[in-house]
Amino acid sequence: SAVISQKPSRDICQRGTSLTIQCQVDSQVTMMFWYRQQPGQSLTLIATANQGSEATYESGFVIDKFPISRPNLTFSTLTVSNMSPEDSSIYLCSVATSPPYEQYFGPGTRLTVT
Amino acid sequence: DAKTTQPPSMDCAEGRAANLPCNHSTISGNEYVYWYRQIHSQGPQYIIHGLKNNETNEMASLIITEDRKSSTLILPHATLRDTAVYYCIVRLAGGGSNYKLTFGKGTLLTVNP
Repeated sequence: SAVISQKPSRDICQRGTSLTIQCQVDSQVTMMFWYRQQPGQSLTLIATANQGSEATYESGFVIDKFPISRPNLTFSTLTVSNMSPEDSSIYLCSVATSPPYEQYFGPGTRLTVT
Repeated sequence: DAKTTQPPSMDCAEGRAANLPCNHSTISGNEYVYWYRQIHSQGPQYIIHGLKNNETNEMASLIITEDRKSSTLILPHATLRDTAVYYCIVRLAGGGSNYKLTFGKGTLLTVNP
């Protein structure tokens, strides 16, 4: 398994500002992902963070709104840009290790936009 | 990915076995069944996965029917800490885009004292 930490654990932000969430893993991993969990809902994949190349976004998510960086095999950031109250969610980082490729999730970042 | 169907909620008495069903009637031959759970306010936790044989680990057992159209996750001796939303997910094995997990609504298991 992998130990994953996220910073910040929670934040309250003003409308129109941006927040960068960090994800740190204790070992090198092949794949890193970012998910969003809106209040009372299940998880939705935002994008796959690719090391050394641009992230791969799922339908409905765009780079301008959710820019992602992955400078190495243990670290990634997700920025939520120009925030609105609809962005209030829990944002989770996950990683996939070597076979059998099960995913391990971080504790999440609880974001509230006022 | 094949879709799954789970009951929205279930109750279980503490110390008894919890049997959580999942229907995945459109599963294809190279898709695995994965189970995760999410305890309130935490990130999802991997539990177990299988292809066609029954699987057991320190957390749970996974029983997959012979036709692979359904499965059951068994928590042999449920405790209050097992209260969580349990997600049954089917996905292709291997890397690349097969890593993606598509979460449904899951089953809220409530373990009662």
